[in-house]
Amino acid sequence: GAVVSQHPSRVICKSGTSVKIECRSLDFQATTMFWYRQFPKQSLMLMATSNEGSKATYEQGVEKDKFLINHASLTLSTLTVTSAHPEDSSFYICSARLGTGGTLGTYEQYFGPGTRLTVT
Amino acid sequence: RKEVEQDPGPFNVPEGATVAFNCTYSNSASQSFFWYRQDCRKEPKLLMSVYSSGNEDGRFTAQLNRASQYISLLIRDSKLSDSATYLCVVQSVAGNNRKLIWGLGTSLAVNP
Repeated sequence: GAVVSQHPSRVICKSGTSVKIECRSLDFQATTMFWYRQFPKQSLMLMATSNEGSKATYEQGVEKDKFLINHASLTLSTLTVTSAHPEDSSFYICSARLGTGGTLGTYEQYFGPGTRLTVT
Repeated sequence: RKEVEQDPGPFNVPEGATVAFNCTYSNSASQSFFWYRQDCRKEPKLLMSVYSSGNEDGRFTAQLNRASQYISLLIRDSKLSDSATYLCVVQSVAGNNRKLIWGLGTSLAVNP
């Protein structure tokens, strides 16, 4: 259980184009999904938290107009990188939260396999 | 100071060796702690949660020291397949907002 898929796994696009990445929870409903970015030899950096049916919460320094997030259902969240530039080339990973966690409870995140974006 | 700090390594050890990683965190209000494993160019996978009483899963033992704000991971009888980057992860809590803070990772190479 707790399988998360991402599509595409790899994409190469030209500068100025937009790329959409899909994240799906396959066997559970995820009220919250997270989008991360990881540059080579860097740690995962949270970009935004996506809650089903509401606007995403972006981390400081992440442009919400450039990284559009849509979480229209309990099993699907999408990240669209608009007007991509070479510096957007990175490994984008989504994760879905399993369980509500309670007020102070623990929760686990399950990760998709990631999408490697290369902008030329 | 980074919120979660790890020695990046790399740690090069022979098969069968015991290796230990430490991780320190800065937010004393952190609630939950995890070790993840990430293979090259792959997504991170949960290795184990870290409980206050310490916990063991086969060859892996995790411990938490809240007073000193550090977490450790011990791998006994290391295997070639243990070669990966080990990520220390801390759950921060700010009001109703909970999120995971990731360390840079510690690289382990187990050699034959």
